[in-house]
Amino acid sequence: QPVLTQPPSASASLGASVTLTCTLSSGYSNYKVDWYQQRPGKGPRFVMRVGTGGIVGSKGDGIPDRFSVLGSGLNRYLTIKNIQEEDESDYHCGADHGSGSNFVVVFGGGTKLTVL
Amino acid sequence: QVQLQESGPGLVKPSQTLSLTCTVSGGSISSGSYYWSWIRQPAGKGLEWIGRIYTSGSTNYNPSLKSRVTISVDTSKNQFSLKLSSVTAADTAVYYCARFRGDNYYFDYWGQGTLVTVSS
Repeated sequence: QPVLTQPPSASASLGASVTLTCTLSSGYSNYKVDWYQQRPGKGPRFVMRVGTGGIVGSKGDGIPDRFSVLGSGLNRYLTIKNIQEEDESDYHCGADHGSGSNFVVVFGGGTKLTVL
Repeated sequence: QVQLQESGPGLVKPSQTLSLTCTVSGGSISSGSYYWSWIRQPAGKGLEWIGRIYTSGSTNYNPSLKSRVTISVDTSKNQFSLKLSSVTAADTAVYYCARFRGDNYYFDYWGQGTLVTVSS
């Protein structure tokens, strides 16, 4: 199964842009990844799914147009433009692997985004 | 709007069994192509998938927890449940229930989470 790696922290100034990275382990370059936003003290919220061709399907409910994704090689990116205070959250990436009795879901360690 | 709510004891003694229930409202647990899942998050750490169940009763579990986990569903009550046996302090975490879409393969609805502490 894949291993997902995320930097533990990132920061950006109000109104600026930031790109968060989720890196798949070697051999899994064709995998899609799901991004989730988790505000302090809350459960996660689906942001969107990304593959090497970009977004897969639709954004989650209420996700603003400021959020976008790209995929390249083993990396899956989440970019937030014109950062707002409300974007300060933990961002998790996740991926499903296998089928039938071998199905699993794996998550990265999460990136804590601080808005300066 | 589908809503999920976890319930159960907030404190469990070491070696005992942790039991949680997730109540689903705003829709039938039996309708659609959905898998009902449990995920946990130790304080300050990332998410860990525990397992999932389909309303047919078919289950998948995290291999690292498989020997201790049982997930079941009660469609008459619109609930599904988690049992984790032989708990230790390492099982202390916020436990979330969530709905996994079988068509688009992501978790679209999550509960607010419940903290379970393992301590004597």
